[in-house]
Amino acid sequence: KAGVTQTPRYLIKTRGQQVTLSCSPISGHRSVSWYQQTPGQGLQFLFEYFSETQRNKGNFPGRFSGRQFSNSRSEMNVSTLELGDSALYLCASSLGGFGDEQFFGPGTRLTVL
Amino acid sequence: AQRVTQPEKLLSVFKGAPVELKCNYSYSGSPELFWYVQYSRQRLQLLLRHISRESIKGFTADLNKGETSFHLKKPFAQEEDSAMYYCALLSGSARQLTFGSGTQLTVLP
Repeated sequence: KAGVTQTPRYLIKTRGQQVTLSCSPISGHRSVSWYQQTPGQGLQFLFEYFSETQRNKGNFPGRFSGRQFSNSRSEMNVSTLELGDSALYLCASSLGGFGDEQFFGPGTRLTVL
Repeated sequence: AQRVTQPEKLLSVFKGAPVELKCNYSYSGSPELFWYVQYSRQRLQLLLRHISRESIKGFTADLNKGETSFHLKKPFAQEEDSAMYYCALLSGSARQLTFGSGTQLTVLP
């Protein structure tokens, strides 16, 4: 079966702009979670969506938001970009949530100039 | 708040030697713990979880609640084990997956 896909793979933005990242989960998976990976902070949980509802949220400011569509595809939006938002953004999908195996996408590399 | 600590950023062992990657956690509730692995140029993937009590690719990990540890062990390391390993904790109430900072394992020939 096809794995988790993320688009775009690479993105360059400038400070103050906004960005939208997309994640398509494995067919049949209803849970999508998002993570930020940086050299300094490592892997940090952003939020999780299940059946179009945000079920869990990490400790990130409100500039980070997301949504999930009826086909389980998810988008993550970051508004008013800051230099510190430069990171690899990973999404993962699973059947029902964290208790199930998480399958990760390849990530979107965001660079903020 | 929950926390996962992997004290070694880098770990090198020779092929055939035993390997242990350390993971300590702090969490007041009943944790669920995982090990994830990322091989070079591959995606992050689940290696094993404590509730399964299984051995994957020769690796095992035992949850020690007294020492709040979940160390990953393999008796005889192979070169293909070289990868980045992350320990992760799933907290019951907040349902967040908290990752450690990772340990880069290199198995030398």
